[in-house]
Amino acid sequence: GAGVSQTPSNKVTEKGKYVELRCDPISGHTALYWYRQSLGQGPEFLIYFQGTGAADDSGLPNDRFFAVRPEGSVSTLKIQRTERGDSAVYLCASSAYSKDTEAFFGQGTRLTVV
Amino acid sequence: KQEVTQIPAALSVPEGENLVLNCSFTDSAIYNLQWFRQDPGKGLTSLLLIQSSQREQTSGRLNASLDKSSGRSTLYIAASQPGDSATYLCAVSYDSWGKLQFGAGTQVVVTP
Repeated sequence: GAGVSQTPSNKVTEKGKYVELRCDPISGHTALYWYRQSLGQGPEFLIYFQGTGAADDSGLPNDRFFAVRPEGSVSTLKIQRTERGDSAVYLCASSAYSKDTEAFFGQGTRLTVV
Repeated sequence: KQEVTQIPAALSVPEGENLVLNCSFTDSAIYNLQWFRQDPGKGLTSLLLIQSSQREQTSGRLNASLDKSSGRSTLYIAASQPGDSATYLCAVSYDSWGKLQFGAGTQVVVTP
């Protein structure tokens, strides 16, 4: 595709529900990153994929958060038993190689937990 | 703890003035540094990427300097325009794999 696509753009869910956020990276990009941005803050790293495998998941806040990238392209961030504190904009980025190249960001999914 | 700080948090200037945005980082062992622009409700757009071995990068009206030893970078935007109004984010990477650590950003308003 022309850019990184994230769906949905907005998601409102009730506390305790399960949500999935999808990221379609730029075609051919092997590296994929998820970040979370709270209001007035910079994005915080969650997880990085190189191909199908999670090379670094040190930013996932707890075991309610999980992400997959089964075929090395599309990725899904999954959040179980959502809490109001999970409300934020979830950003996805991809890059052609993991070294020395810039990452291209999607427009984000705004998650609101009520 | 590795931290990235951006000062000021907000800035308002009249059109035509030059903008100076500051970024500091506590751990100087960076791999590279990037400046991004974020418009309200939008994702991030990369403006400039500076490798740790470089001192500056330029693109059009934008110039970014890097002083790795003092842990600082400055983004200069010449002859500001109302279209430059946005939040500018600085991010550092401490490894070659692209994981970024961001500052909180500087919100810029350029008034006509």
